[in-house]
Amino acid sequence: DVKVTQSSRYLVKRTGEKVFLECVQDMDHENMFWYRQDPGLGLRLIYFSYDVKMKEKGDIPEGYSVSREKKERFSLILESASTNQTSMYLCASPWETQYFGPGTRLLVL
Amino acid sequence: AQKVTQAQTEISVVEKEDVTLDCVYETRDTTYYLFWYKQPPSGELVFLIRRNSFDEQNEISGRYSWNFQKSTSSFNFTITASQVVDSAVYFCALSGEYGNKLVFGAGTILRVKS
Repeated sequence: DVKVTQSSRYLVKRTGEKVFLECVQDMDHENMFWYRQDPGLGLRLIYFSYDVKMKEKGDIPEGYSVSREKKERFSLILESASTNQTSMYLCASPWETQYFGPGTRLLVL
Repeated sequence: AQKVTQAQTEISVVEKEDVTLDCVYETRDTTYYLFWYKQPPSGELVFLIRRNSFDEQNEISGRYSWNFQKSTSSFNFTITASQVVDSAVYFCALSGEYGNKLVFGAGTILRVKS
């Protein structure tokens, strides 16, 4: 069965902290995506990657960076967390359809 | 640029009522893919359907049906005889390429009351 996992379901961090969100897929897919979900805005693309060590900015990359050192793992990094980054973060890896991870609800205090 | 509009922010129905969720999209691509996802309170996105731009046939899956009309750029979703378990946020999404990034609508919150 297809699997996309995310390291945490819930996270609470302080303003200014460096935050790592991890995503792992077991499908040997090349493409991986990070989205952010906010009420009334749907999901918006932050960053994506088509291959190891490759990354592309999405629609809202400001305040984020990513890392893809291995094919199965795609990390989203909040360099200095801010309260406006409180959100639900979803990782996806597509093939015939987009397989989503369970999401990480991040609260920045 | 691609865009997906779900004009209905929230819909409330009573169990067993039929309900239609609207989705209108914009794209300049001739080949594209349309999706519907369900997000129950648990938060996980559940894939419901994918439709490519060359297939305008309507689809029915149990109580769910989808109406794709290229002439009006719409991909509407109907739930027949709604149930409380259908309560969720429903997202319509668009992709320009197979396996590529999705553009999502804002979502429609569906509340089904018993």
